[in-house]
Amino acid sequence: GENVEQHPSTLSVQEGDSAVIKCTYSDSASNYFPWYKQELGKRPQLIIDIRSNVGEKKDQRIAVTLNKTAKHFSLHITETQPEDSAVYFCAASKRNFNKFYFGSGTKLNVKP
Amino acid sequence: EPEVTQTPSHQVTQMGQEVILRCVPISNHLYFYWYRQILGQKVEFLVSFYNNEISEKSEIFDDQFSVERPDGSNFTLKIRSTKLEDSAMYFCASIKPGHRGGNEQFFGPGTRLTVL
Repeated sequence: GENVEQHPSTLSVQEGDSAVIKCTYSDSASNYFPWYKQELGKRPQLIIDIRSNVGEKKDQRIAVTLNKTAKHFSLHITETQPEDSAVYFCAASKRNFNKFYFGSGTKLNVKP
Repeated sequence: EPEVTQTPSHQVTQMGQEVILRCVPISNHLYFYWYRQILGQKVEFLVSFYNNEISEKSEIFDDQFSVERPDGSNFTLKIRSTKLEDSAMYFCASIKPGHRGGNEQFFGPGTRLTVL
């Protein structure tokens, strides 16, 4: 089955700096890679996603890159703000949507 | 905007008791999921449900677990004989693949299950 690894487990940055979170996956059949933000005590919420036919996607301060050959994808947050502080999860899924494999999460702390 | 809803928000039960967690997915969604998240840990897939049957289940989803979509709107997770290690937050989620080209998985607010 698929195995999604996520690093780092915690990340502390100064407000205004960039943050990068990395994930690797093992199953080359995975083709959909969402990123979720989970604030304390809340539900995971999708912040950005990418399909395997695209190498990069950007939405304002958030971007995701995908390297299919190396089987890794990354979340980039620029100009971080204190409200970006949360736990971020990557995930991977195949075309059939039968199962989503989540990474172990990264706790991002943005210091004012 | 439509949302996935879950009830109850918090369930406390005694070990060995049966619990039913309820979810109402977004009405025109096609795929339904249950996940659990032990405090401070990652989101773990339990089961997916499509076209009125289980699509896939994880090794966590053993004979003590079952799912139903009894009436076309509710989606339930039953744990027959709860164990202490079943204590976790349980999230329901749903997808309508292809909606505006996306596959966004919408999560409910979760049910916190505490087994004493």
